[in-house]
Amino acid sequence: EPEVTQTPSHQVTQMGQEVILRCVPISNHLYFYWYRQILGQKVEFLVSFYNNEISEKSEIFDDQFSVERPDGSNFTLKIRSTKLEDSAMYFCASSVRSSSYNEQFFGPGTRLTVL
Amino acid sequence: ILNVEQSPQSLHVQEGDSTNFTCSFPSSNFYALHWYRWETAKSPEALFVMTLNGDEKKKGRISATLNTKEGYSYLYIKGSQPEDSATYLCAFSHTGAGSYQLTFGKGTKLSVIP
Repeated sequence: EPEVTQTPSHQVTQMGQEVILRCVPISNHLYFYWYRQILGQKVEFLVSFYNNEISEKSEIFDDQFSVERPDGSNFTLKIRSTKLEDSAMYFCASSVRSSSYNEQFFGPGTRLTVL
Repeated sequence: ILNVEQSPQSLHVQEGDSTNFTCSFPSSNFYALHWYRWETAKSPEALFVMTLNGDEKKKGRISATLNTKEGYSYLYIKGSQPEDSATYLCAFSHTGAGSYQLTFGKGTKLSVIP
């Protein structure tokens, strides 16, 4: 069964460093998303992406964040200068279409630890 | 600010017991309600997407109901098994701007004791 994959499973970085989190969405999906969950809190929406541009973004998704689909398969989230408060589990998701119905399929997450 | 609440936060049941938990969400501009099952270190797995008031969905021993007028959904598990142990997340989406995003509750963590 097709699935969303994410690498790495765990990333440790120093404050101020840039990180890139990688995702491979399901191959026939057209809509891509990033969410995050800070420990003990709710899963929060960051950004949605379609047709090579951002469809929506939350207040969390400020200028430190960017997303890219560099080729036909990968979808990346870059944090330019990490802060302690960026430590969280980051989930990538994809869906066939935007109707929501919009069943979004999630990857297993990347745990980011900022020291 | 959209708020999705789930209760209880955690639940311990004996194997064989039936159980249920609640998700409440804003009743205005409703579009869809999603239930996910999330085991530690795995991907959240989609259980149901519910869109119509009065909807009932079933998947094996798990079922869900939806009341969009009053803004709640129930998830039921009949005859709980240890493999049902997981966190159950509900997520809400609404019409209009922001309709791509899912707004999640904090989840109900279910532990089934053999």
